[in-house]
This record gives sequence, C-alpha cells and structure tokens, in this order.
Amino acid sequence: EAQVTQNPRYLITVTGKKLTVTCSQNMNHEYMSWYRQDPGLGLRQIYYSMNVEVTDKGDVPEGYKVSRKEKRNFPLILESPSPNQTSLYFCASSSYLGGSSTEAFFGQGTRLTVV
Amino acid sequence: KQEVTQIPAALSVPEGENLVLNCSFTDSAIYNLQWFRQDPGKGLTSLLLIQSSQREQTSGRLNASLDKSSGRSTLYIAASQPGDSATYLCASHNTNAGKSTFGDGTTLTVKP
Repeated sequence: EAQVTQNPRYLITVTGKKLTVTCSQNMNHEYMSWYRQDPGLGLRQIYYSMNVEVTDKGDVPEGYKVSRKEKRNFPLILESPSPNQTSLYFCASSSYLGGSSTEAFFGQGTRLTVV
Repeated sequence: KQEVTQIPAALSVPEGENLVLNCSFTDSAIYNLQWFRQDPGKGLTSLLLIQSSQREQTSGRLNASLDKSSGRSTLYIAASQPGDSATYLCASHNTNAGKSTFGDGTTLTVKP
C-alpha cells in the first residue's frame, strides 16, 4: 500500500530537548516536504526536498533542520524546541514526471507539544 | 510569493444541495493544483489533482476546474451528503523553487 509514515504520532517534550520526527515513503517519490498546521494560520511549508541531498527552505524554516540522505526518508529535526513550535506537523511526498508533478500523499500527522 | 485564498471560509448547506468551493492564486507558474479534504484532527486526503495543462478533473460527485489565466480553481460537489462535512483545502505546487502553498480552507457542514 502506498503510504507516508510519520513517527511519532503524538509527542510531548520540554523546551530545549532535541527531537526528531521521522517521515518515510514507499513510493519512490523524489519530492518530500514538511508542513506545520496551526489554528488560524493554515498549513505552512517548513522545508522541502526535490531529491536526495537537495533541500530548501519553505516559508517557516526557523528552528528546524532536515536531511535527505536516502530517497525514502526525510526526518525533521528540532535542535532546541520552544513552545511556539507546538503544532500539528505533516510530511508529504510526490513525484515529478515529464515536467509536472504527481498527486501529493500526506502522512497522518504528528501532534507536538513543547512545554 | 504565491498566495492562495479560499472563499468562503465556512459554508453550511442542506443535504442534497449542489455547491461550489472557490480557490484563487496569485502566481500562475504552477505544476498543478490539488484539492484535499481534512477531517478534524486528521490528515489530508487527496480528492483531485489538476495539472497545469488541464482544465478539469472529475471523481464521482466531485469536479474540479482550473483556469490559470484568471488564477482560479473551483471544486464542485454534487448532491451533497452529511458525510461530506469536512474542511476542504486547495494547494498549488509552484514551479518557482518547487514550493507548495495552501489556502486556509473552507469548512463545509452538510445538514441532514
């Protein structure tokens, strides 16, 4: 089954304690992306990757890091989480074909609370 | 910078009514435009994807159109049902640097 898997689904952590949210896709997609969703602010793109070893900033990259060492994985790293990073996070993937991109698949989300 | 706007923000209709959700975008340099459904606290489910070269896509009771020249897309839902109640989001995948931009969504309530 084609899917994007995020872990963990729920996480409560303390300010300053480094954490990683994993994202894995089994569709051999080139494009992967991270979003955060906040009430009243909608979905905003954090980072994206157009292929292995190629990453770029989205609209709200501050306080986050990513890496793309393998095609299937795109972890989101919070080096020093702060309460304003409390949010619902989504990972997504899609492919590029002949100058266009395919349907984006989303993970089930990670609800992060930083206290 | 791409901006995506969805109107209305909320919509309540009686069961069986046909309805249209609107999505507008400022930059026509897009790979595609995609419509999603999101239930409260859940992930996003893809409904329809329209490539930049296409004018419309259909799936069951759903029909999405795209007019790049005017920067508009619409999602038409026929014969609405209470199970259609959810938030509907549109998103552009932009050719400029490969970013994606989401609208704020339209929250639909279909009353039995």
